[in-house]
Amino acid sequence: GENVEQHPSTLSVQEGDSAVIKCTYSDSASNYFPWYKQELGKRPQLIIDIRSNVGEKKDQRIAVTLNKTAKHFSLHITETQPEDSAVYFCAAQDGNTPLVFGKGTRLSVIA
Amino acid sequence: DTAVSQTPKYLVTQMGNDKSIKCEQNLGHDTMYWYKQDSKKFLKIMFSYNNKELIINETVPNRFSPKSPDKAHLNLHINSLELGDSAVYFCASSRRPGTNEQFFGPGTRLTVL
Repeated sequence: GENVEQHPSTLSVQEGDSAVIKCTYSDSASNYFPWYKQELGKRPQLIIDIRSNVGEKKDQRIAVTLNKTAKHFSLHITETQPEDSAVYFCAAQDGNTPLVFGKGTRLSVIA
Repeated sequence: DTAVSQTPKYLVTQMGNDKSIKCEQNLGHDTMYWYKQDSKKFLKIMFSYNNKELIINETVPNRFSPKSPDKAHLNLHINSLELGDSAVYFCASSRRPGTNEQFFGPGTRLTVL
């Protein structure tokens, strides 16, 4: 089955700096890669996703890149703000198989 | 206008008891899920239903039994609760199975004493 590794487990950045979170996956058939943000005590919410026919996707300060050959994808947050502090989860999925999550990255943005 | 709702929000109970968590979505989605998030924040799928039919059943003790009376509801019943069942349980829904955005409920924090 699919296995998703996520690094780092914790990340601290100064406000205004960029943050990068990296994930690798094992199943070459996976074709959908969402990123979820979970604020403290809240539910996970989708912030961006990418499908395997696209190499990069951007939404304002958030971007995701996908390297299918290397089986890794990354989340990039620019100009970080204190409200970006949360746990971020990457995930991978192939068709109707279950969505498999990484173990999460706790991002702290220091004002 | 809550999209995915769960009750109760908190559940504290003794070992050996039986308890249920209810989930409802008003998004008109066909597919619903139950996830378990442990103390280390790891999110793992337990079950998935599509149009009231079970389509994903991960390795979960058979003390856990999901029930979907209609496609807007997916309840989780847990028998003979154990200490290790303590976790946050999230319900989620998506338009259909497969690679679609999943909308999560607010979670139910279960504490087994």
